[in-house]
Amino acid sequence: GQNIDQPTEMTATEGAIVQINCTYQTSGFNGLFWYQQHAGEAPTFLSYNVLDGLEEKGRFSSFLSRSKGYSYLLLKELQMKDSASYLCDLQTGANNLFFGTGTRLTVIP
Amino acid sequence: EPEVTQTPSHQVTQMGQEVILRCVPISNHLYFYWYRQILGQKVEFLVSFYNNEISEKSEIFDDQFSVERPDGSNFTLKIRSTKLEDSAMYFCASSPGTDSYEQYFGPGTRLTVT
Repeated sequence: GQNIDQPTEMTATEGAIVQINCTYQTSGFNGLFWYQQHAGEAPTFLSYNVLDGLEEKGRFSSFLSRSKGYSYLLLKELQMKDSASYLCDLQTGANNLFFGTGTRLTVIP
Repeated sequence: EPEVTQTPSHQVTQMGQEVILRCVPISNHLYFYWYRQILGQKVEFLVSFYNNEISEKSEIFDDQFSVERPDGSNFTLKIRSTKLEDSAMYFCASSPGTDSYEQYFGPGTRLTVT
């Protein structure tokens, strides 16, 4: 089975940098995804890590360490619209996603 | 930009009734999925579908659930006899399944069972 742990809530200031951590226990996975979900909306793709290391995509970066069972999502130059839940999830089996409970990020002025 | 669409956006039904939730995945995608999200809880995998058959399903996806791809474009989720606890947002997703496994989610159908 899989187990994913993320902080439930975080608050950060507009323009700042925030790091959202994710630790997991799993019997195996293909890759690790980060999705963003605004309240009442569908998840939208942010990043995907297969190998260890950092993947950068504009203001968002994601890091994976398989040996440590650890990932983080880094958001730079925070904007008010970044207030959302950030979902760490494992791609398993036939490419289905196992989601964590997510971290609700609130960006304040 | 192509997107996954779902209908209806909101469905209200009485307990024990059958419902069919409809999805149109992105046209050249090969893998299709259903997820659900009970209000305030995490997104949960229900079923994945590839090559016209179920490739994986979760323990939530019991005999009350079924999926079908009745034609070349639609992908449906049927719940035969709805229960109160089936009330949730149901998301359809699709992925190309070749070089990219990114899943594209539809806007969801909010199912309310009364």
